[in-house]
Amino acid sequence: ETGVTQSPTHLIKTRGQQVTLRCSSQSGHNTVSWYQQALGQGPQFIFQYYREEENGRGNFPPRFSGLQFPNYSSELNVNALELDDSALYLCASSLGGGGNYNEQFFGPGTRLTVL
Amino acid sequence: AQSVSQHNHHVILSEAASLELGCNYSYGGTVNLFWYVQYPGQHLQLLLKYFSGDPLVKGIKGFEAEFIKSKFSFNLRKPSVQWSDTAEYFCAVMSSGTYKYIFGTGTRLKVLA
Repeated sequence: ETGVTQSPTHLIKTRGQQVTLRCSSQSGHNTVSWYQQALGQGPQFIFQYYREEENGRGNFPPRFSGLQFPNYSSELNVNALELDDSALYLCASSLGGGGNYNEQFFGPGTRLTVL
Repeated sequence: AQSVSQHNHHVILSEAASLELGCNYSYGGTVNLFWYVQYPGQHLQLLLKYFSGDPLVKGIKGFEAEFIKSKFSFNLRKPSVQWSDTAEYFCAVMSSGTYKYIFGTGTRLKVLA
């Protein structure tokens, strides 16, 4: 059974640029959630995708957007990068979605640095 | 708004000492509760979870946690810590019928050999 994988591992961008982060969910999982973990903080929920539809969103601006593909992998896109977007971005996959209880399995994260 | 508080930000213990990390949440409804651990250089891993039944739950590596509904708490315990328990510990809450975890800010545990 393959776990959650994320790419790239590290990324450096400059302010104003756009970035795409990728996540492959664990085998058999149909739900992907994205979190932002700033230094010294706990992960903050960005949004969740269930069967290719956005299923819920946290308190993040519209320049944070996402996609989920038919194979349930997912992308997180951030436009007009700001310095405060520097963080570890975590992807978590689970089976269920739609409000059902489900355990989330986390990937290793992508470390984004915005200069 | 829902929130999770972890009052201990940094904890330093000697090996064989007992551990208790506090976690309190604010939400009046039914919740699912989790403790995750993040070892240096590794990703978040589930230690234990509670969603119903016996309020005392046992997880991996000798950890346990007790859900006290009246106190809105889910404290993590281990009777005797090891150097390998050095890590950051996160408490998380998912309110029933929702889709997202609310995480606490984490507790960094350092165990001295």
